[in-house]
Amino acid sequence: GIQVEQSPPDLILQEGANSTLRCNFSDSVNNLQWFHQNPWGQLINLFYIPSGTKQNGRLSATTVATERYSLLYISSSQTTDSGVYFCAVPLTPGTASKLTFGTGTRLQVTL
Amino acid sequence: EAQVTQNPRYLITVTGKKLTVTCSQNMNHEYMSWYRQDPGLGLRQIYYSMNVEVTDKGDVPEGYKVSRKEKRNFPLILESPSPNQTSLYFCASSLGGRASYEQYFGPGTRLTVT
Repeated sequence: GIQVEQSPPDLILQEGANSTLRCNFSDSVNNLQWFHQNPWGQLINLFYIPSGTKQNGRLSATTVATERYSLLYISSSQTTDSGVYFCAVPLTPGTASKLTFGTGTRLQVTL
Repeated sequence: EAQVTQNPRYLITVTGKKLTVTCSQNMNHEYMSWYRQDPGLGLRQIYYSMNVEVTDKGDVPEGYKVSRKEKRNFPLILESPSPNQTSLYFCASSLGGRASYEQYFGPGTRLTVT
């Protein structure tokens, strides 16, 4: 099945700093999502971004499907950004079936 | 507000005592599924449903049952819970299962079986 790798695995930032999280996948996809799992365990949808670039406030994401990667940018980080960030793609391209999640990037934002 | 809801959010129970975790979505989605999340193992799919009365096993279905009698609801049933089912459970839904639609996740249910 498709492999999804994320980097870096861990990241510590001071509040106000910017960061880039990367997601590489082993096969072509036409559906990619980014999630934030907050310290209470909730999975929050950030982006549905099969290709191109999207922005939502301080967060933006870019997917280059032909090169099999996606990037999540966090600007002016805040302590509430702490948690684990996952990218996920469908196991079977072209369907919304089981999502294969990356191993995640654990982000800690400090004061 | 479009959302997926789960109840209960937290549950501590004892081995063998049947329980049901409810999942409901208000988006008229056809596809619904259950995942469990465990440290070091990531999120694994338990069961999924492509539509009413259509369910199928995911990767880790043992010890679980599901039903899909109505489009909006997809309860997860543990008939005889065991400690190895202690986990964080998520319900998810999307518009359909045969195309690439965004999936929406519920807030999670943290289950402890003693």
